Amino acid sequence: DAKTTQPPSMDCAEGRAANLPCNHSTISGNEYVYWYRQIHSQGPQYIIHGLKNNETNEMASLIITEDRKSSTLILPHATLRDTAVYYCIVRPPGMDSSYKLIFGSGTRLLVRP
Amino acid sequence: DAGVIQSPRHEVTEMGQEVTLRCKPISGHNSLFWYRQTMMRGLELLIYFNNNVPIDDSGMPEDRFSAKMPNASFSTLKIQPSEPRDSAVYFCASTLAGGRLFFGPGTRLTVL
Repeated sequence: DAKTTQPPSMDCAEGRAANLPCNHSTISGNEYVYWYRQIHSQGPQYIIHGLKNNETNEMASLIITEDRKSSTLILPHATLRDTAVYYCIVRPPGMDSSYKLIFGSGTRLLVRP
Repeated sequence: DAGVIQSPRHEVTEMGQEVTLRCKPISGHNSLFWYRQTMMRGLELLIYFNNNVPIDDSGMPEDRFSAKMPNASFSTLKIQPSEPRDSAVYFCASTLAGGRLFFGPGTRLTVL
């Protein structure tokens, strides 16, 4: 079962920041937070991941609270092409049998013109 | 790099027929995953391989489904016999390590 909770839908205006929240209150100390998105009719796409520190890359920023029970994905200047379903996932490190990238229902983000 | 390649992109078949979906992972990646996506159940992990060896197939729905990875550059997912409830988009993904998966474009399967 997915270990995260996300709002089913959000919207934001084009050019504005999109802040997508995720609750993972049962996260373990060695579990990472991953974000993926899925644009309509395409395969999921990796965005970013982190353990405890905030992370930034060319696509987005990830803010993880100090207690690690929640995180926020930030798209600083949303465009129409960012309209997609965004998935927040927690997973342990390594590639043993406990590894499973489990996708929940995600947040459907609509970027409005 | 061409990314993960899946074929066919679309498959329409009749109930009872055998269906074979194919996947070529990114060169150098050592783990491969098969996912299925439907409106009702979302994205489900069916099976994954590490170094060509199946690690976890607990997501395979039933014996009608089988997956193989004969070498590092090729995997198949077979459904025999197919049923209408198998209609879904099937994704293949690969990775070298960790949770950064690279997904293919998917195969849309319709079983009539």
